[in-house]
Amino acid sequence: ETGVTQSPTHLIKTRGQQVTLRCSSQSGHNTVSWYQQALGQGPQFIFQYYREEENGRGNFPPRFSGLQFPNYSSELNVNALELDDSALYLCASRESGRSPGEQYFGPGTRLTVT
Amino acid sequence: AQSVTQPDIHITVSEGASLELRCNYSYGATPYLFWYVQSPGQGLQLLLKYFSGDTLVQGIKGFEAEFKRSQSSFNLRKPSVHWSDAAEYFCAVGLKAAGNKLTFGGGTRVLVKP
Repeated sequence: ETGVTQSPTHLIKTRGQQVTLRCSSQSGHNTVSWYQQALGQGPQFIFQYYREEENGRGNFPPRFSGLQFPNYSSELNVNALELDDSALYLCASRESGRSPGEQYFGPGTRLTVT
Repeated sequence: AQSVTQPDIHITVSEGASLELRCNYSYGATPYLFWYVQSPGQGLQLLLKYFSGDTLVQGIKGFEAEFKRSQSSFNLRKPSVHWSDAAEYFCAVGLKAAGNKLTFGGGTRVLVKP
């Protein structure tokens, strides 16, 4: 059974650019959540996808958007990057019907915006 | 507003000594409660969870946590710390009515002295 994988591992972008981060869910998991973890802080919920639809969103602006594909993999897109978007982005997957905490996290993508 | 507080940013403990990490939450109802551990370069790993019932819950790696409703606390403990327990620990809460998102505390970094 493979775990949650994310790509790329590290990424450096310039302010104003756009970025796409990718996540492959653990096998059998149809719900994917994305979190932003700034340095020295706890993760913050960005949004959640279930059956290719967004079904929960945290306090993030619309320039943070996502997609979920039929194979349950997911993308996080961030437009008009700002310096404060520099963070570790974590993807987590779970089976629907499980509580939000019973999810498995990937190792994250470290995004640096200069 | 819903919040999770981990009062201790850093804790240093000697190997073999006991460890207690504090977590307090502010929610209108009893939420789901979780503890995660994050090692450098790794994703978040679930240590244990509390939904209801027995207020003392056992987790992996010898960790346990106690839920105290009167104090809105969910403290994590380990009787004897190993060097491999050096990591960052996050308390998290989830509430189904809040769209299944997890809210994390700021984390406690644990350093283990030989």
